[in-house]
Amino acid sequence: AQSVTQPDIHITVSEGASLELRCNYSYGATPYLFWYVQSPGQGLQLLLKYFSGDTLVQGIKGFEAEFKRSQSSFNLRKPSVHWSDAAEYFCAVTSGAGSYQLTFGKGTKLSVIP
Amino acid sequence: SQTIHQWPATLVQPVGSPLSLECTVEGTSNPNLYWYRQAAGRGLQLLFYSVGIGQISSEVPQNLSASRPQDRQFILSSKKLLLSDSGFYLCAGQRLSYNEQFFGPGTRLTVL
Repeated sequence: AQSVTQPDIHITVSEGASLELRCNYSYGATPYLFWYVQSPGQGLQLLLKYFSGDTLVQGIKGFEAEFKRSQSSFNLRKPSVHWSDAAEYFCAVTSGAGSYQLTFGKGTKLSVIP
Repeated sequence: SQTIHQWPATLVQPVGSPLSLECTVEGTSNPNLYWYRQAAGRGLQLLFYSVGIGQISSEVPQNLSASRPQDRQFILSSKKLLLSDSGFYLCAGQRLSYNEQFFGPGTRLTVL
């Protein structure tokens, strides 16, 4: 069974600092990977996704993520954090095209200090 | 683009009362539809998914049920709410042959 681990429950960074949120997955074949963001009391918004090809993927709001097969990781990065990035971030994995199962990590809450 | 509508946004219900949460989809036909429950610090738990009208799969046995009376309508119900049903309920859709899911704004349910 596939699983996703987000080791950091809560991260605090200063505005303007760089950010890296960690995500490790467990899946036998090449996974389809996603990062979602959730503002308080809101639904989830897709930031970026990886299916194949270039292992560095660009997303919305200046985010990027790098797929590292050898480390089973898909870490999310942003060079300079803005106060509006404060939210909860979820990494997710699915097994392939048309799969119904999207397995989520438990999320990392990001706080931004002005 | 695809949009999920959910209502109500918030709901406070007494224990033992019935529940009906509605989700509708715009911008795509024949989507897969999903109900998730989110509890603080526990991520998203998949409750039900549907690949078509009248087709419901349950992931977790519990006090809730789901129905899909129309292609773009997905309903979450309960005959008698429990305290443990409190949470944030999210409806999601998935276009055919795509992997990502798009989410609605959610319903905050408090059972007292």
